[in-house]
Amino acid sequence: KAGVTQTPRYLIKTRGQQVTLSCSPISGHRSVSWYQQTPGQGLQFLFEYFSETQRNKGNFPGRFSGRQFSNSRSEMNVSTLELGDSALYLCASSVSLNEKLFFGSGTQLSVL
Amino acid sequence: DQQVKQNSPSLSVQEGRISILNCDYTNSMFDYFLWYKKYPAEGPTFLISISSIKDKNEDGRFTVFLNKSAKHLSLHIVPSQPGDSAVYFCAASPQGGSEKLVFGKGTKLTVNP
Repeated sequence: KAGVTQTPRYLIKTRGQQVTLSCSPISGHRSVSWYQQTPGQGLQFLFEYFSETQRNKGNFPGRFSGRQFSNSRSEMNVSTLELGDSALYLCASSVSLNEKLFFGSGTQLSVL
Repeated sequence: DQQVKQNSPSLSVQEGRISILNCDYTNSMFDYFLWYKKYPAEGPTFLISISSIKDKNEDGRFTVFLNKSAKHLSLHIVPSQPGDSAVYFCAASPQGGSEKLVFGKGTKLTVNP
C-alpha cells in the first residue's frame, strides 16, 4: 500500500510569491492534516480536512489556506510568502477523524 | 504558549543502555498521548500511544509511562540501538485521537555504538 505522497519534495521561492503544495493520502484515508515544522517551533498544526471540509484550523494567518478534493487529495497554498515561511510542510492522512496519523516525507520550502 | 514541552533538545546514550525521553503538558483536557519518531528527510512515524485511563503501555523495547497528576509522560527505550537515533516528538490530543494533535518541539536521540 503506497504511503502519503507529497509533491514537490523541495521548493525555492522568493518573498511575495505564492506556492501550492500537494498531498495524496493513503488509499482509503479520508482525513488529511497539514503541519509546519521549523527548528525552533517543532510541528505546528495548520489545518485538517475531512470529506472536502475544513474541520480544524491552527493559529496561522489567512495567507495559509487549503482544500481537499473529492478523491481526498489535498492542497495547501501560501500566498505572499515571507522569509519566516521557510519550513518543512508535512501532510498526514488518517482513515477518519480521531484516527492515527500517517505522515508523508514533507515538502521543504525555502523562501529567499 | 506551549502546551506540550520537551525540555531536552537532545539526548545521547550508549548502545544497550536505557533511553528516557520526557514530555510535560499543561492542558488538563489532553487525554490521549502519542510518540512519533522522525528520521532526517522523512515524515514522522507513529511509535506508541497511551490514553489517560492507563499509566503504562508497552510495545517491545518501547514503554510509555503517564503520570496524570504531574502532567508528565516519558518514553523508555530498552535496550537502545543505533537505529533508534532520530528525533522523537511527543504529541497530545484532547479528543482521544489524532484530531488537533499538539506536538512538542522534539528531542534528538543519539545512540552511540
